[in-house]
Amino acid sequence: SQQGEEDPQALSIQEGENATMNCSYKTSINNLQWYRQNSGRGLVHLILIRSNEREKHSGRLRVTLDTSKKSSSLLITASRAADTASYFCATPNAGNMLTFGGGTRLMVKP
Amino acid sequence: DAGITQSPRHKVTETGTPVTLRCHQTENHRYMYWYRQDPGHGLRLIHYSYGVKDTDKGEVSDGYSVSRSKTEDFLLTLESATSSQTSVYFCAISEQESTGELFFGEGSRLTVL
Repeated sequence: SQQGEEDPQALSIQEGENATMNCSYKTSINNLQWYRQNSGRGLVHLILIRSNEREKHSGRLRVTLDTSKKSSSLLITASRAADTASYFCATPNAGNMLTFGGGTRLMVKP
Repeated sequence: DAGITQSPRHKVTETGTPVTLRCHQTENHRYMYWYRQDPGHGLRLIHYSYGVKDTDKGEVSDGYSVSRSKTEDFLLTLESATSSQTSVYFCAISEQESTGELFFGEGSRLTVL
């Protein structure tokens, strides 16, 4: 079963707007990762946040982690058409293997 | 880009035939993984390897076997393909276990008729 679940499943915004995606997970974790997948391509790692961190930034990306609510959010600021992709959160399962949610499909309209 | 090559990239086969997908890495990473991606299910772990000849089952291992005879190669075999195994298969590698970044290949699209 999936450890993490993203919300919403799909998101459509205009270029320049901010995009926020959420991830909820079930069990305690030591880290949470976000990945991006362009259509027809493999996943690419975006950012890793550890359980003792509350917020992390990388360029236009901002990730938050709330371990008390077992949730994380990914914010993409000033979105561009090139940000159109699917975004996945990933967390370690009981066997310490990364498991992925179903993803959020982001469409950024020019 | 991480040096990961999957082959074949596309394959159409018939039910009951054996299929082998190959993942080749040039990064000398210890961990290698096979995932499948299906609509509505995200990515699900099939098998993984933590060293040469060291493999273990993932979430959806039934109907699949793997082998790793060299650090750089991780093979996924469907002994007798079924239509439910139609999917996109991704290989990934990492230096560390759960805290490591995964590097993914470009995927192998398999269609079982």
